Amino acid sequence: DQQVKQNSPSLSVQEGRISILNCDYTNSMFDYFLWYKKYPAEGPTFLISISSIKDKNEDGRFTVFLNKSAKHLSLHIVPSQPGDSAVYFCAAGYTGGTSYGKLTFGQGTILTVHP
Amino acid sequence: ETGVTQSPTHLIKTRGQQVTLRCSSQSGHNTVSWYQQALGQGPQFIFQYYREEENGRGNFPPRFSGLQFPNYSSELNVNALELDDSALYLCASSFGGGGNTIYFGEGSWLTVV
Repeated sequence: DQQVKQNSPSLSVQEGRISILNCDYTNSMFDYFLWYKKYPAEGPTFLISISSIKDKNEDGRFTVFLNKSAKHLSLHIVPSQPGDSAVYFCAAGYTGGTSYGKLTFGQGTILTVHP
Repeated sequence: ETGVTQSPTHLIKTRGQQVTLRCSSQSGHNTVSWYQQALGQGPQFIFQYYREEENGRGNFPPRFSGLQFPNYSSELNVNALELDDSALYLCASSFGGGGNTIYFGEGSWLTVV
């Protein structure tokens, strides 16, 4: 049962344009969401997170939008840069109880930004 | 630089052997989680340790076990290695819960032959 899904295995974008990465989840108990970026042979690097009490969070070029009714979140990168080329993972978790360290990840989306 | 360090970075083991992977959490972080990432997949949660006790476990068999020490560093032990255990093993640390950010180490690449 894939509770977090990234349906686009890859995305190709021109430098300077917007990159939009999408993520869907099925478990309504998730109440916080994170995006990670991963280069080959490295661990995931935290990018941005959002709590379920918000619908938008911004940090520089990165904005995450959360639509709870649709169980959908997206990461917008504006403007995209060639250095953004990496695998992007969406992850979901719970803030309550004892499971806060347990993140459920999507399969990842490979973003390629062309100069 | 996340402050989470893992060792070794790469290792090769034979089927049936045992392996121990180590993780030093970021300073001040009391919660450590371990993940397995197979090629082409997202990381899968193995288990979490909080204040030296296992505090949540994913769908992994008992031959995957762990420890957390008083300084919050941690070990992942895998017994009776199988070929399918070949993966990147990631350690993540955080301070408690409440939606605090979870930081990952660089990972340990395990190949089982």
